[in-house]
Amino acid sequence: SAVISQKPSRDICQRGTSLTIQCQVDSQVTMMFWYRQQPGQSLTLIATANQGSEATYESGFVIDKFPISRPNLTFSTLTVSNMSPEDSSIYLCSVETQGTDTQYFGPGTRLTVL
Amino acid sequence: RKEVEQDPGPFNVPEGATVAFNCTYSNSASQSFFWYRQDCRKEPKLLMSVYSSGNEDGRFTAQLNRASQYISLLIRDSKLSDSATYLCVVGSGGTSYGKLTFGQGTILTVHP
Repeated sequence: SAVISQKPSRDICQRGTSLTIQCQVDSQVTMMFWYRQQPGQSLTLIATANQGSEATYESGFVIDKFPISRPNLTFSTLTVSNMSPEDSSIYLCSVETQGTDTQYFGPGTRLTVL
Repeated sequence: RKEVEQDPGPFNVPEGATVAFNCTYSNSASQSFFWYRQDCRKEPKLLMSVYSSGNEDGRFTAQLNRASQYISLLIRDSKLSDSATYLCVVGSGGTSYGKLTFGQGTILTVHP
């Protein structure tokens, strides 16, 4: 499986600000995804990060709030914009390695918004 | 109805016990099925994929019944290290390829 890192691992932010989370993979992968895990909840898919084109967002998530970049096959960023306390969550990226239908997750970014 | 439903537990079992988790999913077009495990404050990690023929990995056995849209996980001879949240995960195909839908998780605590 791929080795995935995320930065930052955690952050505490003020409402109204934005935070960009980075996801780096040690090998080229076709598909990368961003998930949110709210306190006490399971994971919810935010969007699929497409290399070279706009991300594909799930219902309830919009580009203005969660802009995503995917400049190459090993890297993606998720920005949480204009944050409010409701955005306090763990944000995880995942990758699907080529030839498989399974996803592997990064260690997550624990975000607290005050 | 939730897309993927699990009994949230918690399940508290002694070491050596056998425990079974059940999961149902609503989308009959689902293509792939998994069990992930998530330790406290950690990311989910793939435990095993689930196939229609059933599959076994050591003490863990997974079953899939497509007709009933039902997935199960059996853990035999439970260890303390099995304590975690077990997530039933269903993958979509077609235009939603790659999208995983997670159940809310079943909490397992194995005690001495």
